[in-house]
Amino acid sequence: NAGVTQTPKFQVLKTGQSMTLQCAQDMNHEYMSWYRQDPGMGLRLIHYSVGAGITDQGEVPNGYNVSRSTTEDFPLRLLSAAPSQTSVYFCASRASGVETQYFGPGTRLLVL
Amino acid sequence: GENVEQHPSTLSVQEGDSAVIKCTYSDSASNYFPWYKQELGKGPQLIIDIRSNVGEKKDQRIAVTLNKTAKHFSLHITETQPEDSAVYFCAARDNYGQNFVFGPGTRLSVLP
Repeated sequence: NAGVTQTPKFQVLKTGQSMTLQCAQDMNHEYMSWYRQDPGMGLRLIHYSVGAGITDQGEVPNGYNVSRSTTEDFPLRLLSAAPSQTSVYFCASRASGVETQYFGPGTRLLVL
Repeated sequence: GENVEQHPSTLSVQEGDSAVIKCTYSDSASNYFPWYKQELGKGPQLIIDIRSNVGEKKDQRIAVTLNKTAKHFSLHITETQPEDSAVYFCAARDNYGQNFVFGPGTRLSVLP
């Protein structure tokens, strides 16, 4: 199993540009989440999904969209990037009824 | 909602000494508390967890204690080694039972 994979590893955007951060897992996990990690603030939940076709907002959803068309994939979209979205983004997944989360390696995003 | 505080933010210890990281949570309904280790350039990885019906749990050199009355839990690492150097995050499951709120992290440095 590859576990949780994320692409790209690093991205530089200009203010106003859009992009999609990809996340995929091959463990057939129902739950998937997106977090952002900023210095001194730990991991903050952006959006999450409890299964294909179901998504919900986390603590810091503004400026981000998600969709979950398949169990495996959970892309995160930035429609109009802002410097405040400069961060490291982590995708995580876990099986229903199991508390252990598995994190991807992260995407480092710089918005100029 | 749930709020998790974590102290200290940085911790330096000599190899072989013990390290203790403390967290407090706000929601008395929280019942699951994981600890994650994040090495440089990687995603967080679960190292130990504890449920609210247990006061202490050990796994080799790592232990976690929970005081439900005081709403705090701690990570104890004994006989520290250089490979223990990393950022450690505590977390608490939120009152909806689906997501986790993370502390801001502790950067542990084990000096040889």
